[in-house]
Amino acid sequence: DAGVIQSPRHEVTEMGQEVTLRCKPISGHNSLFWYRQTMMRGLELLIYFNNNVPIDDSGMPEDRFSAKMPNASFSTLKIQPSEPRDSAVYFCASSLEGRAFFGQGTRLTVV
Amino acid sequence: KQEVTQIPAALSVPEGENLVLNCSFTDSAIYNLQWFRQDPGKGLTSLLLIQSSQREQTSGRLNASLDKSSGRSTLYIAASQPGDSATYLCAVPTSGTYKYIFGTGTRLKVLA
Repeated sequence: DAGVIQSPRHEVTEMGQEVTLRCKPISGHNSLFWYRQTMMRGLELLIYFNNNVPIDDSGMPEDRFSAKMPNASFSTLKIQPSEPRDSAVYFCASSLEGRAFFGQGTRLTVV
Repeated sequence: KQEVTQIPAALSVPEGENLVLNCSFTDSAIYNLQWFRQDPGKGLTSLLLIQSSQREQTSGRLNASLDKSSGRSTLYIAASQPGDSATYLCAVPTSGTYKYIFGTGTRLKVLA
């Protein structure tokens, strides 16, 4: 398996634009997580899916953020409209009853 | 609410030293605990997973212990090498879930 695959690896966008981050989890994993990492706040859990169902989205910072998991092999995190304070590295991770595997992340810069 | 603390925040040691990284957590009702490594500009690599019923796990020069009752875990690195230089993070799930909360990490530098 190629591991957790995220795209794009880097994204630069202007304030106000919509941004969509994509994630393909490891086949067979039943949990998927979106995290955001910044120097100031470290790794923050945004949302957690189990069997494609959102279980806990309490970490989603505000209504501008939304996440979907239409099937077991794909998830998106959307920011609309984007703001400079959304600049961070966004990680997707998947797991099967415990051990979590992370993607390489998407570095988002909003100017 | 689960809170995870890692000490020290940074550590610099000469090559060959044995070292201990610490992780403490506030909610001991956990399924497991994981240690990760993160290299600059990279994703996280899972190093060790300790189930709640276990007291320790070993992988090569790494040994992680878990004391649930005191809310503590340690990562022991034997005979450190420059290639061990990275940030080490522990992650603990909130009670009864697999929702992982991360510590702020220990930034390790091993000098040749």
